[in-house]
Amino acid sequence: AQSVTQLDSQVPVFEEAPVELRCNYSSSVSVYLFWYVQYPNQGLQLLLKYLSGSTLVESINGFEAEFNKSQTSFHLRKPSVHISDTAEYFCAVSLTGNQFYFGTGTSLTVIP
Amino acid sequence: NAGVMQNPRHLVRRRGQEARLRCSPMKGHSHVYWYRQLPEEGLKFMVYLQKENIIDESGMPKERFSAEFPKEGPSILRIQQVVRGDSAAYFCASSSTGGGGETQYFGPGTRLLVL
Repeated sequence: AQSVTQLDSQVPVFEEAPVELRCNYSSSVSVYLFWYVQYPNQGLQLLLKYLSGSTLVESINGFEAEFNKSQTSFHLRKPSVHISDTAEYFCAVSLTGNQFYFGTGTSLTVIP
Repeated sequence: NAGVMQNPRHLVRRRGQEARLRCSPMKGHSHVYWYRQLPEEGLKFMVYLQKENIIDESGMPKERFSAEFPKEGPSILRIQQVVRGDSAAYFCASSSTGGGGETQYFGPGTRLLVL
């Protein structure tokens, strides 16, 4: 069975500080990995994804995530956060089928 | 280039009533997925449809819930005889193909409140 674990339900961080949001998954087969962001009362927006190739993937707004197969992790990082990054972040796994398996989310709060 | 559209955005129903949630996929997308998000939880897969076909309904409750994606018009998620436990945000997503790794684009969701 597949599962996604986001260990930190809430992460407060000061503006301009670095942040890491953790994501671990369990699967017996190869997976595709995604990070989505959800702003209050909105739907999920794709932040970045890993399909194959380079294990480090980047988004246009400064986030990056690294696929680590041996540790079955896909942690999301940003070297310097902004107030506008305050949101809920979801890690998701997709297999060769069609379902996405989501973690329970991490609420990132950027403190001025 | 409109994204995934869902309506209504908010829906209030009394116990025992029916709820109908609509989803129009992105232009050119023929694959639709429905997810449910309970408070303080992640999204849980409910059902995957293509035009006129239910492909995977393994996440759908066996009773009171049904979904369709007709040849013309939006996809509909229907909940009959709603109960308080059905209160949640329901998200629809669409993709151009159904292959693994294909990005799913999400709508803004319908927030259902059952009184």
